Amino acid sequence: DTGVSQDPRHKITKRGQNVTFRCDPISEHNRLYWYRQTLGQGPEFLTYFQNEAQLEKSRLLSDRFSAERPKGSFSTLEIQRTEQGDSAMYLCASSLIGRNGGTDTQYFGPGTRLTVL
Amino acid sequence: AQTVTQSQPEMSVQEAETVTLSCTYDTSESDYYLFWYKQPPSRQMILVIRQEAYKQQNATENRFSVNFQKAAKSFSLKISDSQLGDAAMYFCAPTGTYKYIFGTGTRLKVLA
Repeated sequence: DTGVSQDPRHKITKRGQNVTFRCDPISEHNRLYWYRQTLGQGPEFLTYFQNEAQLEKSRLLSDRFSAERPKGSFSTLEIQRTEQGDSAMYLCASSLIGRNGGTDTQYFGPGTRLTVL
Repeated sequence: AQTVTQSQPEMSVQEAETVTLSCTYDTSESDYYLFWYKQPPSRQMILVIRQEAYKQQNATENRFSVNFQKAAKSFSLKISDSQLGDAAMYFCAPTGTYKYIFGTGTRLKVLA
């Protein structure tokens, strides 16, 4: 088990450009989450998937943000027309939820640090 | 709505000593879990300990233990025999069915 991986680890872009991040969850994990963390703050929930279905999106996720999880494996988070306020660490986590639901432990990736100039 | 309060922005502890990090929360969930995660500088979030709210017994994990007071909605983390590697940001996160709500964190410094 190699853990949750994220790519790239760092991204520097100019305002107005589009960026895309990738997350590979722990194999067999059926839930995948995206969080955003700004300096000095705890992570804030953005969205999550159960298998390929996106089940909830936070109001923090403006229409410039889109996330996908085709085939229920890896996920991508795209930010269009980036703004300086998008500068943050984007964290991905995955978990395994049983048939009866409930909460299971989320395992986090190393994050992608985005800097918008 | 869930809220989490970690009232200690920063704590210091001498190596080999014990320190307690506090966390209070508010939730409308009847069944939930509580987690403590640590985030070392420039490194990823690592699970420290987990507590099921329906369990009265406090969770322990080696040098880490919690004091869970459900009625008071308090969930503190005790670190015994502190080590230099324990230096990190610590986040408390109560959760319902899926969503983690993190506190603002407590930065723990371990003094040699």
